[in-house]
Amino acid sequence: DAGITQSPRHKVTETGTPVTLRCHQTENHRYMYWYRQDPGHGLRLIHYSYGVKDTDKGEVSDGYSVSRSKTEDFLLTLESATSSQTSVYFCAISGGRFTDTQYFGPGTRLTVL
Amino acid sequence: QQQVKQSPQSLIVQKGGISIINCAYENTAFDYFPWYQQFPGKGPALLIAIRPDVSEKKEGRFTISFNKSAKQFSLHIMDSQPGDSATYFCAASSGAGSYQLTFGKGTKLSVIP
Repeated sequence: DAGITQSPRHKVTETGTPVTLRCHQTENHRYMYWYRQDPGHGLRLIHYSYGVKDTDKGEVSDGYSVSRSKTEDFLLTLESATSSQTSVYFCAISGGRFTDTQYFGPGTRLTVL
Repeated sequence: QQQVKQSPQSLIVQKGGISIINCAYENTAFDYFPWYQQFPGKGPALLIAIRPDVSEKKEGRFTISFNKSAKQFSLHIMDSQPGDSATYFCAASSGAGSYQLTFGKGTKLSVIP
């Protein structure tokens, strides 16, 4: 497995509360990504980062923000969680010799009640 | 168009048979086409990938066929085994910019003994 960890692995929270998910990599890769996976939708990109403090929006970014203060960490924040954000969240990284090859973390299952 | 269309949604194959999953895309800027395998509760794992300069790539029992003019690519799993039962995702990305992946919606493969 690529050196990617995600925390927490499971979380249950209430509507309206803030939530932060963490992705940590040990590969020193430049690019990091956050996806959400929902039945019938496959994986959809939320936000991505192309370097420290460099981030941009993906396909489904509304209601999410991200930060990257160190190469190894990429944080995804739900400022005020809603039930529609119940999902499985995956972090991915790419870089090195083949920049377009992405490796995924184990995922975080988030339930918003 | 960023969409990648994947079919079928589900597939049942007998042990030893050939599993075939198809994907089609519209964006001619796509230049990297990976396939991911995902087991329940796990993150997607890169299985095999192809670039447009070749029409076929084989790794063990897994083969990608790529038709640039038709904008289609497919995954063939030869001698399918029960351990291949998983969800398979095709994806595509463009080398220009973020290398973000656009995913198909997935195919759930069941290989029955």
